[in-house]
Amino acid sequence: QKEVEQNSGPLSVPEGAIASLNCTYSDRGSQSFFWYRQYSGKSPELIMFIYSNGDKEDGRFTAQLNKASQYVSLLIRDSQPSDSATYLCAVKEGNKLVFGAGTILRVKS
Amino acid sequence: DTAVSQTPKYLVTQMGNDKSIKCEQNLGHDTMYWYKQDSKKFLKIMFSYNNKELIINETVPNRFSPKSPDKAHLNLHINSLELGDSAVYFCASSRLGTGGADGELFFGEGSRLTVL
Repeated sequence: QKEVEQNSGPLSVPEGAIASLNCTYSDRGSQSFFWYRQYSGKSPELIMFIYSNGDKEDGRFTAQLNKASQYVSLLIRDSQPSDSATYLCAVKEGNKLVFGAGTILRVKS
Repeated sequence: DTAVSQTPKYLVTQMGNDKSIKCEQNLGHDTMYWYKQDSKKFLKIMFSYNNKELIINETVPNRFSPKSPDKAHLNLHINSLELGDSAVYFCASSRLGTGGADGELFFGEGSRLTVL
C-alpha cells in the first residue's frame, strides 16, 4: 500500500487567519484526492475532492493539487473556531481510499 | 433517515470474547467498507465488498470475518478479542467508479470497541 503523509500538528491559527494543511502521496498513478474533516468523537465528513491540477474553490475552502510534486493542500480562509477538527487527506488507489494520519487544526478566538 | 447506520455504537467486552457489528446503508451504493481507526486517529481500510463480493481484504487477522448478505448490509464479526482490537470501527459506502468524486466515502457514526 502506498503512503499518504500529513503533519500531525496541532496547527494553531488565530480566528480570521488562513489555515494551510498539506499532504503528500507516494502513488504517482493516483487520480482522485479528498479532504475529510473529523470532529472529535464523530465520523469523517467530506469537505472537498479534486482530481485536476490547480486550484478548486468552495466557499472558504480551496484545494490545491500538484501531481508532478505529488502534493495536495487545503486552505481555509477566515478560519473560525468551528473549523477546529482533524483534517484527513485521502488518496484513491484502485477501489479504496488511503488516508493520511490527519492534521489537528486549532482555531483560537 | 441515516444514510449509513451501524450498531452498536459502543461495545465493552473482555479479552477472548466474540462480538459483532452491523452496518446498513440506504444510499443505493454498490460498495461497502470496514475501516479501523486507532487511538492515534489513523484510519485504515480492512475490507471492502462490492455487490456482496469481497474485493479488498487487507492484512487483517483471521479472527475478523466480514459478511455481506446483500449490497446494503455489511457486518463484521470478531472472534477471540484481543486488547489491540480496541479501536473505533467505521462502516462506509461508496459508488464504485474511476472518475471525479467516485470513491467518495460516506461513513457511519462508528462503533467504539473497548477490550478489557
